[in-house]
Amino acid sequence: EAGVAQSPRYKIIEKRQSVAFWCNPISGHATLYWYQQILGQGPKLLIQFQNNGVVDDSQLPKDRFSAERLKGVDSTLKIQPAKLEDSAVYLCASSSPRGGRRNTIYFGEGSWLTVV
Amino acid sequence: DQQVKQNSPSLSVQEGRISILNCDYTNSMFDYFLWYKKYPAEGPTFLISISSIKDKNEDGRFTVFLNKSAKHLSLHIVPSQPGDSAVYFCTGGTSYGKLTFGQGTILTVHP
Repeated sequence: EAGVAQSPRYKIIEKRQSVAFWCNPISGHATLYWYQQILGQGPKLLIQFQNNGVVDDSQLPKDRFSAERLKGVDSTLKIQPAKLEDSAVYLCASSSPRGGRRNTIYFGEGSWLTVV
Repeated sequence: DQQVKQNSPSLSVQEGRISILNCDYTNSMFDYFLWYKKYPAEGPTFLISISSIKDKNEDGRFTVFLNKSAKHLSLHIVPSQPGDSAVYFCTGGTSYGKLTFGQGTILTVHP
């Protein structure tokens, strides 16, 4: 079974530029997450989708970050304009609850962003 | 507001000995907990979980203990192996699937 795919793996941009990350979740997984992991910290949830609807985006900086999940499968996360503090690893993850409430979330390898 | 705390940034143990990683939480709404393991340049991978109604779950060399009254859990690895060297994240999960991560503990197992 293929895992969560993300691209690009690495990106370096100048501040005030824009960047977009793409994610393809595990086939059949209805729930998709974007996490931000700053060096030395644990991953922080930015946004959670259930199919193509947003479940939680309370920690998404909506003035510069946007995310969409068209057709309930692939997702893109965009940052515009980027700031130095956005330098982080952006992790996409997916899960598929099977009746019970517990989820195991599967992560992609991450997209490493450096803003200079 | 840090709902999940891993107060030890790093831990170093000898191969064959026990590794104990600790985690405290404040959110009473968590109804399950998971430990994730992360190698450099890779995404976190699921290791072991425990429901909030249990106090112990074991899977091979890995055992997770939950003390709900103290809002504390721990991960035991016995025996530790050099391949266990990684960053370990403690996470709390809610009923709608949101995970909250701790800061992580870097485990180094020396041969």
